[in-house]
Amino acid sequence: GENVEQHPSTLSVQEGDSAVIKCTYSDSASNYFPWYKQELGKRPQLIIDIRSNVGEKKDQRIAVTLNKTAKHFSLHITETQPEDSAVYFCAASDETSGSRLTFGEGTQLTVNP
Amino acid sequence: DAGVIQSPRHEVTEMGQEVTLRCKPISGHNSLFWYRQTMMRGLELLIYFNNNVPIDDSGMPEDRFSAKMPNASFSTLKIQPSEPRDSAVYFCASRQGSFTEAFFGQGTRLTVV
Repeated sequence: GENVEQHPSTLSVQEGDSAVIKCTYSDSASNYFPWYKQELGKRPQLIIDIRSNVGEKKDQRIAVTLNKTAKHFSLHITETQPEDSAVYFCAASDETSGSRLTFGEGTQLTVNP
Repeated sequence: DAGVIQSPRHEVTEMGQEVTLRCKPISGHNSLFWYRQTMMRGLELLIYFNNNVPIDDSGMPEDRFSAKMPNASFSTLKIQPSEPRDSAVYFCASRQGSFTEAFFGQGTRLTVV
């Protein structure tokens, strides 16, 4: 089955700096890569996703890049703000043979004012 | 729609007791997931259903865990007998179709003493 590894496990940045979180996946059939944000004491919520036929996707201050050859994808947050502080999870799924969403272990991002 | 509804929100039980967690997915969603969240292992997929049918239960830790989905609007996760190491937050999530957002419930915080 799919295995998703996520790095780093913790990340601390100054307000206004950029943050990058990286994930690798094992199943070359995976074709859907969402990112979820979980604020303290709350449920995970989708912030951005990308399909395997796209190399990059942006939504305001966040972007995701995908390298299918290397089986690697990353989340980029620019101009970080204190409200970006949360745990971020990457996930991978082969949507053509079921919907098994496998998550990475999460990254605790702290944005210091 | 009220979103994915889980009950109870908190459960404290003694070791050896049976625990039943409940989930009502969003109406019309055809996939349902049970995840366990701990500090050490992130979001761990236990089991998922497509159209009420269990597709992959390879994440279920052991025979003490069982899950059912008798109809499209209800699922249960049962632990019998419970052990202290089962203490975690259990999330239910649902989604419709492929390449779509998975919506999480608020979770059940289980403490086994």
